[in-house]
Parts: sequence; C-alpha cells; structure tokens
Amino acid sequence: EADIYQTPRYLVIGTGKKITLECSQTMGHDKMYWYQQDPGMELHLIHYSYGVNSTEKGDLSSESTVSRIRTEHFPLTLESARPSHTSQYLCASSETGVSDQPQHFGDGTRLSIL
Amino acid sequence: GENVEQHPSTLSVQEGDSAVIKCTYSDSASNYFPWYKQELGKGPQLIIDIRSNVGEKKDQRIAVTLNKTAKHFSLHITETQPEDSAVYFCAGRSGGTSYGKLTFGQGTILTVHP
Repeated sequence: EADIYQTPRYLVIGTGKKITLECSQTMGHDKMYWYQQDPGMELHLIHYSYGVNSTEKGDLSSESTVSRIRTEHFPLTLESARPSHTSQYLCASSETGVSDQPQHFGDGTRLSIL
Repeated sequence: GENVEQHPSTLSVQEGDSAVIKCTYSDSASNYFPWYKQELGKGPQLIIDIRSNVGEKKDQRIAVTLNKTAKHFSLHITETQPEDSAVYFCAGRSGGTSYGKLTFGQGTILTVHP
C-alpha cells in the first residue's frame, strides 16, 4: 500500500487568496506528479518532478506553481485563486527504476473558489 | 504526444456478469498500460498493468489484454460484484522524452447492480 498524503482534503476559499496544497510521500520516490481532475472525471497532468530541484510543466496549462526542495514533499501553490481553479487536485508518485513503475495516488484535495 | 481513448463512458451490469472496458492509444512507442480504479472520495488505485512485451495478464477476476498491432487494450472483469462499482481509468505511457508520464483515458463509470 502506497503512503502518499494530501492536505487539506477539502478547501473552500474566496477569490484572490493564496493557496498551497500539500503532498507528501514516505516511500522515497523520486518522481512526483500533480493532476487536475475535472467534473467529467478525466485526469490532466499539470506538473511533474523527476527529483529534488526538478519541476516541469505538464500537458495542461495551469496558473499554479510547484516546488521540490525535499524528496518527500511536492507542494502546489496558487498565488491568487479564481473560481476557474475550482477542481479536484490529485498528487501521485512513482519509483525510478529500470522497468516501468506504477504511479501511486493520494486521495486528492477538492478545491472550491467562491 | 500520446492520446488515449476509452469506451464506454458508462457501463451497467448485473452482479455476476462480465464487464469489458476498451482503450485505444495513438503512440506506437507506448510500452506500459496501467488500469486504475477510483472510488468515491478516493484517489485512483492501480488494479493491474501490462507491458508491451506481454499480450495478456490476469489477476483473479481481472484480466487485461493488449493488441500492439491494433494499438488497443482492454480490461475484463468477470463475476462482477457490487463493490466493483467505481470509475475505471486506462492509461498509456510513451517512451522517449515523456519517460514516466502517463496519459489517461476519459474514464468509465461501472455500476454493478445486485
């Protein structure tokens, strides 16, 4: 069973606020990912990291930013939240290996911007 | 980049029947295909995966088949139970510069009626 944690699980907040969504994993995985899951269910990759000090933009453009200062921690920040940022955000991690390693997901943060 | 199409979007079966979900992918270099199950309020959980050097893989009531020539793969669930009800996602992983990144299908809502 993967150990990857996201906080908060739910957040309702007003427009213009700065928000940080936390993601931590205790497995020592090098790779970490952030997905945005829209109401239609589809998952879209918005950020990923291959390791400490590595961050890359994903396939879906996002106004959020990420940092990777420690292996176990991959926070996502929105400097000024807007209603269009309302969504579910899922964090995942995977091990680096010779063969393909599966991604393990947290339970997500459901974000609502009023 | 990779494009993954998943069908059907919803699937309703009676308990004990089989369920089949199909996915097609566009990148012939893709070599890893996981399937995830997402229950309400949870993150996606890996249920089975298959690599491109294998045509079929089984794990109890779940099986996945891969046809590399046709670029499609399918999830088969036999003897369905109400607890199989969830959203299922297929995914494909391209080789090359997108190493480690997954592209997800649109999801299938499976409902198993007792």
